Order: sequence, then C-alpha cells, then structure tokens
Amino acid sequence: QKEVEQNSGPLSVPEGAIASLNCTYSDRGSQSFFWYRQYSGKSPELIMFIYSNGDKEDGRFTAQLNKASQYVSLLIRDSQPSDSATYLCAVNPMFSGGYNKLIFGAGTRLAVHP
Amino acid sequence: DAGVIQSPRHEVTEMGQEVTLRCKPISGHNSLFWYRQTMMRGLELLIYFNNNVPIDDSGMPEDRFSAKMPNASFSTLKIQPSEPRDSAVYFCASKKGRETQYFGPGTRLLVL
Repeated sequence: QKEVEQNSGPLSVPEGAIASLNCTYSDRGSQSFFWYRQYSGKSPELIMFIYSNGDKEDGRFTAQLNKASQYVSLLIRDSQPSDSATYLCAVNPMFSGGYNKLIFGAGTRLAVHP
Repeated sequence: DAGVIQSPRHEVTEMGQEVTLRCKPISGHNSLFWYRQTMMRGLELLIYFNNNVPIDDSGMPEDRFSAKMPNASFSTLKIQPSEPRDSAVYFCASKKGRETQYFGPGTRLLVL
C-alpha cells in the first residue's frame, strides 16, 4: 500500500462546476496535510494546508480532513480552465522529526473544459 | 525576495558522465530538500538538510548519488556515473522552521 494515494485521473469537469479531489494516507499519526498544484512543466506550488479535522476554506478552495478515515480532500468551486493542472496531496508523517518531511501522492490531473 | 534558484535548468549528458545540480535556497530558510520527479514514480524525496546537516538520506537511490550543503546558501546534488534511468526533473525546495516548503523551478536531466 502506498503511503499517500490519489486517483491519477484525469478528472474532467465543466467550467463553473465543483471539482472534488481526494487523497488517502496510511500513516495514522500524520500531523499535517498539504495540497500543491503543478502546471505542466512547472514546479509544485502550495495552495492549501490543513491540520485539524473539518473544513478549511480559502477563496474558491476548501480542504477537508477526516483523520479517523485517513482522508483528505480538496474542493474547487466555480472551476476555471486555469485550474487545469495536476494536484498533489502531501502528508507530513508522524516520524519526520518536526522537519516537515513530506510524502507526496502521485497526483490527480484535473481538466476543466469550457 | 528571489525564490529558490536552481541551475542548470536543463542538462543533457551521456551515460557515465558526472552530473552536478545546484541549488540556492531562499535567504533565511534553514531546511533544504532535494526531490526527483518522474512519470512512473511521481515526486520522491531524495534527501533533506536542516541547518546544513543531512537529516534523512533514505531516499537517495544508490551510492552514485551524493548531496552536500557546505553553507546555508548553497547545495549540490551529484550523480556519478549517470545512467539513463536517472533522467527526471530534480527539484530543490527550502523552508524556514515549521513553515511550508517552496520549490525551485527544477532541473530537467536527460541522460542518453
């Protein structure tokens, strides 16, 4: 079992719809969770992080965390073609010594079509 | 503030040659990470440093890979000898304290 799992996609949604990206992780002691966006040929850029169970909203983005189910998701409201990218889920495992060692999932490719 | 700087941005070399990738972290950041990204394996952590000291190199594939951080503003990742399976994008990232990591633009390495 991979430490961080994501559906590779592509996830195709129409412009204006809600895109839902999901991620599961195996280390129950994981402390913090991150979503990075990576455009083709570019480097990953952080869009959201979440530490506590529940929802965290930032503009059109909402991160959701359920530690009991070891599940984290990212919702993108009013999806735009510019949101088309690969979204990487990253987890800070329990035994990382506080240095924010991140384990990345393989990423989900999102395609927003007009 | 300039972001993480990596050089070269592209490198094409022949099998058996030595390759050196360079990274300058963001000023004031005390942790530095080297990643490798391929289609098959995704984004993998190779090694990370804290205050110039290597903390975890468990991701380094084999002895052909080595990394150094002689001071707070410079790090190198060396592959000697290089092999075609080393072809990938290599990212350097840095962070300060418990803040999040910021990635450099990456070096695209092609080993023929």
